[in-house]
Amino acid sequence: EAGVAQSPRYKIIEKRQSVAFWCNPISGHATLYWYQQILGQGPKLLIQFQNNGVVDDSQLPKDRFSAERLKGVDSTLKIQPAKLEDSAVYLCASSLGWGGNTEAFFGQGTRLTVV
Amino acid sequence: AQSVTQLDSHVSVSEGTPVLLRCNYSSSYSPSLFWYVQHPNKGLQLLLKYTSAATLVKGINGFEAEFKKSETSFHLTKPSAHMSDAAEYFCVVSERNAGNMLTFGGGTRLMVKP
Repeated sequence: EAGVAQSPRYKIIEKRQSVAFWCNPISGHATLYWYQQILGQGPKLLIQFQNNGVVDDSQLPKDRFSAERLKGVDSTLKIQPAKLEDSAVYLCASSLGWGGNTEAFFGQGTRLTVV
Repeated sequence: AQSVTQLDSHVSVSEGTPVLLRCNYSSSYSPSLFWYVQHPNKGLQLLLKYTSAATLVKGINGFEAEFKKSETSFHLTKPSAHMSDAAEYFCVVSERNAGNMLTFGGGTRLMVKP
């Protein structure tokens, strides 16, 4: 079974530039998550989709971050304009359903460095 | 509101000795609890999960955790550490009234000495 695919693996940009990350979840998984993991910290949820609808985006900095999941499959996360503090690993995860006991499968992440 | 506190940011053990990684949680309702492991340059992998069934949960690679409601704890243990266990471990809580959102602890880095 293929896992969660993310690209690119690494990205270096200058502050005020824009960047986009792509995620392809496991086939058939209805729920998709984007997490931000700053060095030395645990992952923090940015946004959660159920199919193509947003379940939770309370921690997404909406003035600069946006995400979409067209057709309820692939998803993109965009930052525009980027700040130095956005340097982090961005993790995508997917799960079959939307239940507290549903295992989330994580991709390897995209490491973003803003200089 | 749900939250997770991992009491140790770093734990160092010798190979072959027991492992104890401590986790306390805060939750308004009956939570689901998970332990994930993150090896360098690899994705997060589920070790085990508690979902209101047996309080002692067995996971992969010989790890287990015990849910203690009275102590609001979900500590991770392993009888004998192996060099390959060196990684970052995250305790995670999820509850239904929080939209089943996964809330991660700050992580514990486990180091295993030969």
